[in-house]
Amino acid sequence: AQSVSQHNHHVILSEAASLELGCNYSYGGTVNLFWYVQYPGQHLQLLLKYFSGDPLVKGIKGFEAEFIKSKFSFNLRKPSVQWSDTAEYFCAVITGGGNKLTFGTGTQLKVEL
Amino acid sequence: NAGVTQTPKFQVLKTGQSMTLQCAQDMNHEYMSWYRQDPGMGLRLIHYSVGAGITDQGEVPNGYNVSRSTTEDFPLRLLSAAPSQTSVYFCASSPTGQGLYGYTFGSGTRLTVV
Repeated sequence: AQSVSQHNHHVILSEAASLELGCNYSYGGTVNLFWYVQYPGQHLQLLLKYFSGDPLVKGIKGFEAEFIKSKFSFNLRKPSVQWSDTAEYFCAVITGGGNKLTFGTGTQLKVEL
Repeated sequence: NAGVTQTPKFQVLKTGQSMTLQCAQDMNHEYMSWYRQDPGMGLRLIHYSVGAGITDQGEVPNGYNVSRSTTEDFPLRLLSAAPSQTSVYFCASSPTGQGLYGYTFGSGTRLTVV
């Protein structure tokens, strides 16, 4: 069965610091990869997705992610975080052209002023 | 354009009671799904549907029923509520299950079973 691992459960950063959140998946075939964000009290919103092509994917709000097939990874990055980036971030995967979106356990990001 | 609408937003049930969580979308999406969100466990797929009349089980289907009689609606039924079903429930929809256009999520239903 497919699975997604997010190594950092809680991350605290100061404003302007750089961010990298780890995500690894366990599946050897074709994958569609996603990062979602959930701001406090709100529903999930799509940050970015990877289906094929350029492994460096740019999303909304200055976020980007890099798909490294050999490492089964899809890490999320942002060069300079803002207080408004405080939220929970979820990595998710769909494998083999299927239709089940599987989420990781999430990373709580707190950005301090 | 309302997107995905979930009702109610909050609900308290007694153990053994039944209820239906409603989910409706106005985007003509074929794919709809239900997730539950629990602290430290992320979102787990309960049931999903790839079109009217077609449903299938996800990761945690026990204790939940679904049906899809129309494209717009995908209700989730709890037949006999248990404290373990205390959670936040999210409905999502997409043009297709592969997520090429992303999934649109509703605002959630917070359910407490006492």
